[in-house]
Amino acid sequence: NAGVTQTPKFRVLKTGQSMTLLCAQDMNHEYMYWYRQDPGMGLRLIHYSVGEGTTAKGEVPDGYNVSRLKKQNFLLGLESAAPSQTSVYFCASSLLTRANTGELFFGEGSRLTVL
Amino acid sequence: AQSVTQLGSHVSVSEGALVLLRCNYSSSVPPYLFWYVQYPNQGLQLLLKYTTGATLVKGINGFEAEFKKSETSFHLTKPSAHMSDAAEYFCAVISPENFNKFYFGSGTKLNVKP
Repeated sequence: NAGVTQTPKFRVLKTGQSMTLLCAQDMNHEYMYWYRQDPGMGLRLIHYSVGEGTTAKGEVPDGYNVSRLKKQNFLLGLESAAPSQTSVYFCASSLLTRANTGELFFGEGSRLTVL
Repeated sequence: AQSVTQLGSHVSVSEGALVLLRCNYSSSVPPYLFWYVQYPNQGLQLLLKYTTGATLVKGINGFEAEFKKSETSFHLTKPSAHMSDAAEYFCAVISPENFNKFYFGSGTKLNVKP
């Protein structure tokens, strides 16, 4: 009963380093999302995907890249980390159709600190 | 474009008291509305949602919310707070015309005093 799994859960980076966050879901969901959560700002959408091989920009895409090579996985990459990217990152997935409107299933989050 | 406003970043109630968390939205068409709850160090969980039909929706743990189109509101209530309700609550909206994006409010942290 895994649902949405994010790895790693914690990471500390130095400015300029790169890293990839992995999100895996076992519910056969088409839609996957990456959000960042910062105090007082709620969740802001970074990138999302409506299916394997497709990605799109959200509200705050700068400094991030994503890939969806397999339906169950959605990767979030930071090519050159900056302190402003210190945040908690959440992956979510959903089976969004007109008949099944919109429960997002969230992972437990990945806490990233950039020094 | 959608937007969600949650009034009050922190709300404190006594155990047994009424919980009222406010959410207002702006949308060009009647949206689908959601409340999510986040317990410390966890991801968000769906509390309840409104899509169509009855405007008063009931969720888990005794919470309910009422969609009021005239007031563009979707406030969350619970008659009697329990210590275990202490968490952060997020209101969210999507447009029925575009299922791709959820828009979240900034969140309200609920503190329950003994």
